[in-house]
Amino acid sequence: GQQVMQIPQYQHVQEGEDFTTYCNSSTTLSNIQWYKQRPGGHPVFLIQLVKSGEVKKQKRLTFQFGEAKKNSSLHITATQTTDVGTYFCAGMEIYNQGGKLIFGQGTELSVKP
Amino acid sequence: GAGVSQSPRYKVAKRGQDVALRCDPISGHVSLFWYQQALGQGPEFLTYFQNEAQLDKSGLPSDRFFAERPEGSVSTLKIQRTQQEDSAVYLCASILPGQVNEQYFGPGTRLTVT
Repeated sequence: GQQVMQIPQYQHVQEGEDFTTYCNSSTTLSNIQWYKQRPGGHPVFLIQLVKSGEVKKQKRLTFQFGEAKKNSSLHITATQTTDVGTYFCAGMEIYNQGGKLIFGQGTELSVKP
Repeated sequence: GAGVSQSPRYKVAKRGQDVALRCDPISGHVSLFWYQQALGQGPEFLTYFQNEAQLDKSGLPSDRFFAERPEGSVSTLKIQRTQQEDSAVYLCASILPGQVNEQYFGPGTRLTVT
């Protein structure tokens, strides 16, 4: 079945440093979504990417979807302590019409002030 | 309006007991999903409803797991004869299908089987 791999598992940065997490799917995706989960919280939707090669920005966050629609990345510029949490990518298979998502294992980001 | 709610928030069960976990989706959200999240892992898909129809239950780990949504709103995930490996956070999410299939997650139920 479809697998979504995400690296790194953990990332510790100094406040102000940049952060990137990478996501790879074993199959071609219809779209990919990114979620953030704060410690003790639940996943909160950040963004959805649909088009091949798509790049979207949200303030300091930049999201990319690969040309083959099998990989994606999230880059945070100049991290802040409010960025702490686990970032998950979640892929939707190309033939799935129901909204079922396959989540990566997540990248846990810690930011040292 | 109110978000997705789940109850109970915490449940401790002795091995072998049956448990029932409830999810109240956002009003008007047609699709409802159940996920299992083990510690340090991403949510894993269990099952999915569109209104009252269970369209995909491929993620249910065994026949001890059963989910229903009889009136197309509230959903219940039941686990029979709980085992220690069932210990996890069970998340419910709902979506209002559209161009962006944003899933709105509830706070989850943390199940501990002793």
